[in-house]
Amino acid sequence: GAVVSQHPSRVICKSGTSVKIECRSLDFQATTMFWYRQFPKQSLMLMATSNEGSKATYEQGVEKDKFLINHASLTLSTLTVTSAHPEDSSFYICSARTSAGNEQFFGPGTRLTVL
Amino acid sequence: GNSVTQMEGPVTLSEEAFLTINCTYTATGYPSLFWYVQYPGEGLQLLLKATKADDKGSNKGFEATYRKETTSFHLEKGSVQVSDSAVYFCALSDRGSSASKIIFGSGTRLSIRP
Repeated sequence: GAVVSQHPSRVICKSGTSVKIECRSLDFQATTMFWYRQFPKQSLMLMATSNEGSKATYEQGVEKDKFLINHASLTLSTLTVTSAHPEDSSFYICSARTSAGNEQFFGPGTRLTVL
Repeated sequence: GNSVTQMEGPVTLSEEAFLTINCTYTATGYPSLFWYVQYPGEGLQLLLKATKADDKGSNKGFEATYRKETTSFHLEKGSVQVSDSAVYFCALSDRGSSASKIIFGSGTRLSIRP
């Protein structure tokens, strides 16, 4: 099956610093990638949708200047949390979809802790 | 808009018990329906799916049938194991949407006692 990886799996940073999370589709080309945020014991909340080579579409209430998304190639999307604060601590999950179908393949997630 | 409602957890069962996790949805058109499972500390894995009415998705002993008349996609398993302990998410995807966003339910935490 299709495999999506995320790096790093865990990151701890100081408040005010920026953190970059990578999402890669390992064995397929992903025309669309999605970024989700999951709070403890809660469901996934879609943050943004990114299509290769174009600007990301952010969901209502998500600050695009805070969460920078780049989808520069068909196998890589990055999420940069800028000037992170403790309230940004969360589990961030990406998913990738090919142009062929509507199934999304999820990465294993990145746990961000901001001190 | 589209939405998914699933039974609140946590659900605690003994090993070999019968499992049902209810899920109902609201959607325009004809969505695809999914169950995802999230084991502790891991990302989501697709457990099963159904793309049209009356389809039955199945995997690892779990089953769910796409019921258009009741707008439901209940998850069932005849005999649960300790290794089934996880959080289960019901979800839908609107095939009519070019972005094919997935809408998730709130998740149901399942714990199985030995």
